[in-house]
Amino acid sequence: EADIYQTPRYLVIGTGKKITLECSQTMGHDKMYWYQQDPGMELHLIHYSYGVNSTEKGDLSSESTVSRIRTEHFPLTLESARPSHTSQYLCASSEYFPGLAGNTGELFFGEGSRLTVL
Amino acid sequence: GENVEQHPSTLSVQEGDSAVIKCTYSDSASNYFPWYKQELGKRPQLIIDIRSNVGEKKDQRIAVTLNKTAKHFSLHITETQPEDSAVYFCAARGGSQGNLIFGKGTKLSVKP
Repeated sequence: EADIYQTPRYLVIGTGKKITLECSQTMGHDKMYWYQQDPGMELHLIHYSYGVNSTEKGDLSSESTVSRIRTEHFPLTLESARPSHTSQYLCASSEYFPGLAGNTGELFFGEGSRLTVL
Repeated sequence: GENVEQHPSTLSVQEGDSAVIKCTYSDSASNYFPWYKQELGKRPQLIIDIRSNVGEKKDQRIAVTLNKTAKHFSLHITETQPEDSAVYFCAARGGSQGNLIFGKGTKLSVKP
């Protein structure tokens, strides 16, 4: 079944550690995103990508970095985690050209990775 | 760039009553307005959307209206049920990047 998969779902880690949050999608979408969200709160776009070798910064400044080497894979990395990075990180994907052939560009979200930095 | 304001931030209704959530947007070029529902501990999921060439859209108990002139759109839920309790996000797509810009969310509580 087409979906977006995020690992780990939960991560508790100490300050200064390097972490990578994995995101893979089998939706066949070109565009992918990372959102940061405190539980039930506002969704902040931190990174997005139009396709392979494309990465862009979102509206909220973030110390994290992303890469897009394969269409289906969009990992997020924090080189040195801090308590201020504690949050939920949601990966999402969509069609790149909404409006064509009736596509709306609907955003499909993964289940999220909840990060706690001690 | 686009800015989306959403009101109210919290809404409590009795089961069976109607609920209305309102959003305004700033970019007149925005052309797509979805609504997402996020249940506690779950991922946001699309429940209804509307394009800028349509004024109203219904799907069973939910409906969305769009006023392009005033640049606002609203979500209407009729005959609310406890399972409607969730956080609802409106969004608008516009700008050169075509990304969705979300409102801050409305926490809806439906009391039995």
